[in-house]
Amino acid sequence: EVQLVESGGGLVQPGGSLRVSCAASGFTFSHNWMSWVRQAPGKGLEWVANIKQDGTQTNYVDSVKGRFTISRDNALNSVSLQMTNLRAEDTAVYYCVRVWSITIYGMIIPGFMDVWGKGTTVTVSS
Amino acid sequence: DIQMTQSPSTLSASVGDSVTITCRASQRISNWLAWYQQKPGKPPKLLIYKASTLETGVPSRFSGSGSGTEFTLTISSLQPDDFATYYCQQYKDYSPWTFGQGTKVEIK
Repeated sequence: EVQLVESGGGLVQPGGSLRVSCAASGFTFSHNWMSWVRQAPGKGLEWVANIKQDGTQTNYVDSVKGRFTISRDNALNSVSLQMTNLRAEDTAVYYCVRVWSITIYGMIIPGFMDVWGKGTTVTVSS
Repeated sequence: DIQMTQSPSTLSASVGDSVTITCRASQRISNWLAWYQQKPGKPPKLLIYKASTLETGVPSRFSGSGSGTEFTLTISSLQPDDFATYYCQQYKDYSPWTFGQGTKVEIK
């Protein structure tokens, strides 16, 4: 069974740091882009970051650039999101997501998100 | 960035109704569009990708159509399990990926 299990969420003060992680199983982890998507309380979905299969390419939403770092360990089948200088507006459920690649104009790029973890809650508050 | 706009924001319907949700992109995205269903307290679930391809296991009462900038998700004969929030997402441009704001389908 394909599974993504997040961990590491919690309460952190503004300006603090937190690392959330995701353990993957049931598929060949190194074959897929991976991503983090978040959802603030009562709000919609917001893509946060993604990382290529070999870790050589990463992308971030503007609001987290310079503060968040996505990384992966293909030997351990895990992906992480290191979050620093956290703000109240980073409060959300953070979902780990598997990405299905697609081909556009001969280029293989990350496409849609086909498997989601249950999420881990990050609360930034004093 | 490609902006995605869904309408309506909320939709009230009865079991057995046919409902349609619209998603508009701020620029042409061909058919690089996915639809997700989310129930309260649960993660989103992929329903449709490439605008009209049903994910494995998704009931055939769900269908998607459209290309370019305008897309629709139709649920024919709404079932009790279908009351949820639905999101569209473009993946033509993967930095950033963008979602619509969501459409809540509630019981009339």
